[in-house]
Amino acid sequence: DAGVIQSPRHEVTEMGQEVTLRCKPISGHDYLFWYRQTMMRGLELLIYFNNNVPIDDSGMPEDRFSAKMPNASFSTLKIQPSEPRDSAVYFCASTNGGETQYFGPGTRLLVL
Amino acid sequence: SQELEQSPQSLIVQEGKNLTINCTSSKTLYGLYWYKQKYGEGLIFLMMLQKGGEEKSHEKITAKLDEKKQQSSLHITASQPSHAGIYLCGADKGGSEKLVFGKGTKLTVNP
Repeated sequence: DAGVIQSPRHEVTEMGQEVTLRCKPISGHDYLFWYRQTMMRGLELLIYFNNNVPIDDSGMPEDRFSAKMPNASFSTLKIQPSEPRDSAVYFCASTNGGETQYFGPGTRLLVL
Repeated sequence: SQELEQSPQSLIVQEGKNLTINCTSSKTLYGLYWYKQKYGEGLIFLMMLQKGGEEKSHEKITAKLDEKKQQSSLHITASQPSHAGIYLCGADKGGSEKLVFGKGTKLTVNP
């Protein structure tokens, strides 16, 4: 299996622009997670899905962030409008439930 | 909410030396995960511990879970430069698939 796939790997944008991050989970996994990692706050869970349904979005910072999972093999995390404080590494992870989470390589976002 | 504290925050050792990283939880541990991260890469799963007193090993890395102390330790024997990276512990919050993570321990192994 190719593992969790994320795109783009790097994104540089200007404040106010819309940013869309993409994730393809491991085939057969029914849980998908979006995390954000910063030096100050470490690795934080933003939202997770089970069978394409959002279960817990309590970690989403504010209304500028939204996430969707239209089918079992694809999810997006959108930031609109983006701000410099959104600069971080965003990870997607997937699991079968009750097992370890497998992480993608991350998207390094820089908002100028 | 559950918090995980890792110590030390960073560690520099000479190749061949043994080392230990600790992870302490503010609440009962239902499941404890250890991951390794290299710069610019995602997290690589190392081990999962679920039962008090459980101990697992993979190559030269051993992890233990002390449920009473709500603590886990990761021990590396005869460290090598390939062991360098950031080690993160993550805890199962019980009844949920959510994990909370410590801030990580940065390990440098000098040849």
